[in-house]
Amino acid sequence: GAVVSQHPSRVICKSGTSVKIECRSLDFQATTMFWYRQFPKKSLMLMATSNEGSKATYEQGVEKDKFLINHASLTLSTLTVTSAHPEDSSFYICSAQDAGGPTSNTEAFFGQGTRLTVV
Amino acid sequence: DAKTTQPNSMESNEEEPVHLPCNHSTISGTDYIHWYRQLPSQGPEYVIHGLTSNVNNRMASLAIAEDRKSSTLILHRATLRDAAVYYCILRAWYNNNDMRFGAGTRLTVKP
Repeated sequence: GAVVSQHPSRVICKSGTSVKIECRSLDFQATTMFWYRQFPKKSLMLMATSNEGSKATYEQGVEKDKFLINHASLTLSTLTVTSAHPEDSSFYICSAQDAGGPTSNTEAFFGQGTRLTVV
Repeated sequence: DAKTTQPNSMESNEEEPVHLPCNHSTISGTDYIHWYRQLPSQGPEYVIHGLTSNVNNRMASLAIAEDRKSSTLILHRATLRDAAVYYCILRAWYNNNDMRFGAGTRLTVKP
């Protein structure tokens, strides 16, 4: 089946630094990618929807200057957490959908997640 | 977005069938019913989806009520590897097809 690769799987960074997370669709083209964050024992919270070649659409309450999303190609989207703080520590997950069909009738593929720890 | 309601947790014995319910009373005619599951410390994975008719695949079966206001994910023989959080999600063809997760059902499988 289709594969979405997310990198890194785990990262520790110092407060005030920035961290970039990559999400790649390995064997299909993804017009749209989604970014989520998940706190322990909680469900996934949609942060933003990333469309290739255009600006991301952020959910209410998610700071676009804090969480920079770039979707420069049909196979790559990146999430950059800028000036990270300990409260940004979380599990970040990306999802991609094959652009080849009606998305409501198509499965979505998820990356393996990135555990970010800000110290 | 149409909302789904699932029990917070369920338990099953290994090698027995499991029926995971989902209520979606405000579903619209064009919403697909999707199920995903998330194993610990991993991203979610697709299980099954359907519109009106019951669906079967190698992982599970999806039984959809005639009025589509509820559905049931059926694992025919639960294994320890099936212990996960199971999410029932409605996906509309409009609204940029985003996927919003509810709380899901945490399935525990006992040996």
